[in-house]
Amino acid sequence: LAKTTQPISMDSYEGQEVNITCSHNNIATNDYITWYQQFPSQGPRFIIQGYKTKVTNEVASLFIPADRKSSTLSLPRVSLSDTAVYYCLVGDMGDDKIIFGKGTRLHILP
Amino acid sequence: GAVVSQHPSWVICKSGTSVKIECRSLDFQATTMFWYRQFPKQSLMLMATSNEGSKATYEQGVEKDKFLINHASLTLSTLTVTSAHPEDSSFYICSARDGTSGKETQYFGPGTRLLVL
Repeated sequence: LAKTTQPISMDSYEGQEVNITCSHNNIATNDYITWYQQFPSQGPRFIIQGYKTKVTNEVASLFIPADRKSSTLSLPRVSLSDTAVYYCLVGDMGDDKIIFGKGTRLHILP
Repeated sequence: GAVVSQHPSWVICKSGTSVKIECRSLDFQATTMFWYRQFPKQSLMLMATSNEGSKATYEQGVEKDKFLINHASLTLSTLTVTSAHPEDSSFYICSARDGTSGKETQYFGPGTRLLVL
């Protein structure tokens, strides 16, 4: 399972675009990159998943460079309700398990 | 996306009693489910992997006789905390893997808050 490194915390303001970068230097050929969001006292919520280049959905975009050793979650025009912990996970989801890192605590200010 | 439910959402019990937590995949079949626990301000810690019809695989340091896991069907896994103690108080979260998307995405339940008095 590829180890991931994310910033421990980030602050931003309402209406701004927020980019959270995750490093995963040991990513394997079959690994996908998945991001989850977690609010206090709730289970993680799936945000986006990708393998290469760019993936976009109604919530976020995921940018993955050609070497796939990092990825960036982009949240457009954040609001106060986007304050949460964001986890970057890398693995072949067919693996027996995925391990959570420490995540990035995002704090949106008014 | 796929929906995973947990029941109960919170439970308070006396020390020495047993507590059962249910995890259900509501709109997909999950051959594999996972159980995590999370302490305040910390990340999720994987406890065990539950495969339908077979014994669970526990992570190092997790007592299998204390945390009993049963995965009786493709939509239900249960975690029983036996002889609970105050140090077992935590937030327990399950997840289920949906293989129908082709990407084996994991979806998480809302969690169960356990308080042992």
